[in-house]
Amino acid sequence: DTEVTQTPKHLVMGMTNKKSLKCEQHMGHRAMYWYKQKAKKPPELMFVYSYEKLSINESVPSRFSPECPNSSLLNLHLHALQPEDSALYLCASSLGGPRRPGELFFGEGSRLTVL
Amino acid sequence: DAKTTQPNSMESNEEEPVHLPCNHSTISGTDYIHWYRQLPSQGPEYVIHGLTSNVNNRMASLAIAEDRKSSTLILHRATLRDAAVYYCILRDGRDDKIIFGKGTRLHILP
Repeated sequence: DTEVTQTPKHLVMGMTNKKSLKCEQHMGHRAMYWYKQKAKKPPELMFVYSYEKLSINESVPSRFSPECPNSSLLNLHLHALQPEDSALYLCASSLGGPRRPGELFFGEGSRLTVL
Repeated sequence: DAKTTQPNSMESNEEEPVHLPCNHSTISGTDYIHWYRQLPSQGPEYVIHGLTSNVNNRMASLAIAEDRKSSTLILHRATLRDAAVYYCILRDGRDDKIIFGKGTRLHILP
């Protein structure tokens, strides 16, 4: 199984809503990532979890809250978002750890629209 | 983060080889050179990576300059399905951080 599965594929939410994006992989990868991608722009790194601990936070606003309940799951909790947060949110995983610069496997993404 | 520079866009004819250049003059000794591509409406897809030596896989070849300050992704025989944005990324082997640059939009002409 070489898949990264993201749900939901599409999400529409109001600015006062609380919602979550979910990501799952069963490749035994220990590094998991959230990226945000606006139209016609490259993916922008948000968070990295390494061995279930948050290792990188690229100065992301607190209205985005990541969670890694176990080595296979990664969530992104959304609260009080703004319309400019509308984007494609991509989850990825890799083997992880130092001296193991293997490839990232990406999911198809969750397309978020904030009204 | 070490930076990469790629042309904004390139065109190639179907069934011809394609050479996608990438400059990375500030590369450090621990940086691996990774290439990803993103087809329309899909997540990025890994293509190939290397450190110092040229690399081949079923998708492409990666040619790395001797001084490692530039590299070239080679698609041996382009098809219409290879039309995508190609990203050249430097990945420090000491951590899990992967930052995407602007990439090259590759157009394939039938």
